[in-house]
Amino acid sequence: RKEVEQDPGPFNVPEGATVAFNCTYSNSASQSFFWYRQDCRKEPKLLMSVYSSGNEDGRFTAQLNRASQYISLLIRDSKLSDSATYLCVVIRGNTPLVFGKGTRLSVIA
Amino acid sequence: GAGVSQSPSNKVTEKGKDVELRCDPISGHTALYWYRQSLGQGLEFLIYFQGNSAPDKSGLPSDRFSAERTGGSVSTLTIQRTQQEDSAVYLCASSLRTGNTEAFFGQGTRLTVV
Repeated sequence: RKEVEQDPGPFNVPEGATVAFNCTYSNSASQSFFWYRQDCRKEPKLLMSVYSSGNEDGRFTAQLNRASQYISLLIRDSKLSDSATYLCVVIRGNTPLVFGKGTRLSVIA
Repeated sequence: GAGVSQSPSNKVTEKGKDVELRCDPISGHTALYWYRQSLGQGLEFLIYFQGNSAPDKSGLPSDRFSAERTGGSVSTLTIQRTQQEDSAVYLCASSLRTGNTEAFFGQGTRLTVV
């Protein structure tokens, strides 16, 4: 079983829709969690950290469920500019970032 | 510089040749990571440095791959006797330290082995 698993998609949604992605991780010792965004043929960039209590940044909400070992990302009121691949990232202690393969989102006009 | 800088941005090489990829991290960042990404695939971890030491080399695909970091700054990833399956984008990232800190990526080196 891979350490970080994501549904590859693609998720094709109309503008204004709400879309949610899940990511599961296999190692219960994982401590830190992030969502990165990668545009086509570009480098990944941090979208948001994921805190135990959940956190929100504008239209984006991230949640962590330690008991079930998954994190989620919710995007409300989708914009065309949200089209990208969303990468789930997990860190255990001082290990390097472990990336999921990403979930591709296409927002359609 | 302001961000992570990688060079060259593109490299086309003949099968069997050696290549060197360079990464210049953000000043003051002690942790440096190398990943590679094949077309349409996720990021594959290769190696990371904490300062000049590489605690984890487990991701290097074969003994043709090596990396070093000197002075706690610039890192080079060397691929000897390149093969066609080495073709990918090689991404470097740096962070203040390992653990729960944001990693900043360079724009990558696109390597094509012909």
